[in-house]
Amino acid sequence: QQPVQSPQAVILREGEDAVINCSSSKALYSVHWYRQKHGEAPIFLMILLKGGEQKGHDKISASFNEKKQQSSLYLTASQLSYSGTYFCGTEIKAAGNKLTFGGGTRVLVKP
Amino acid sequence: DTGVSQDPRHKITKRGQNVTFRCDPISEHNRLYWYRQTLGQGPEFLTYFQNEAQLEKSRLLSDRFSAERPKGSFSTLEIQRTEQGDSAMYLCASRRGLSTDTQYFGPGTRLTVL
Repeated sequence: QQPVQSPQAVILREGEDAVINCSSSKALYSVHWYRQKHGEAPIFLMILLKGGEQKGHDKISASFNEKKQQSSLYLTASQLSYSGTYFCGTEIKAAGNKLTFGGGTRVLVKP
Repeated sequence: DTGVSQDPRHKITKRGQNVTFRCDPISEHNRLYWYRQTLGQGPEFLTYFQNEAQLEKSRLLSDRFSAERPKGSFSTLEIQRTEQGDSAMYLCASRRGLSTDTQYFGPGTRLTVL
């Protein structure tokens, strides 16, 4: 039931773009994206509630394809501060309010 | 700082000892969650409170684990007879009652069982 994230890791040069995918085998009510730096708590980036909805936060945006039960996170013109591990947390319809997290995608942005 | 606080931040204990962690959520949030995270993995759900009622417990939460949220404010997570496999980061998160809102995580308590 854990969502599957891909890729597991990505290395970028500053200014490059990347896409992180999150796929679920269950019908999803919402997808929550977080970024976590080593030794710190996950920090909320954005929540997607509707199929096809896209949201943006600075140069980070995301989409949610309800039919495919898939969400993608887009890192555009990456900055050094984007380094960290990105997690998607999925909320399944009628399954309570807990989030089920993927295994994470480690992102390293180099100068 | 998300507004969710946890205490202690680090705990080292010997196998077989009991430990207790505390979480103070954002004041207007009536939902509180406990997660466990091991190195290289995403957070795993342990239990969830709405106000003072514990509404869901994961099968991960063995009978050595107990959580409370008296008066619907702060929460405590106790682990009895700790085992080395309990070593992990224990994260608390809080959420308003709206389904359109997200969960905000505290800084976590890192437990090391020797």
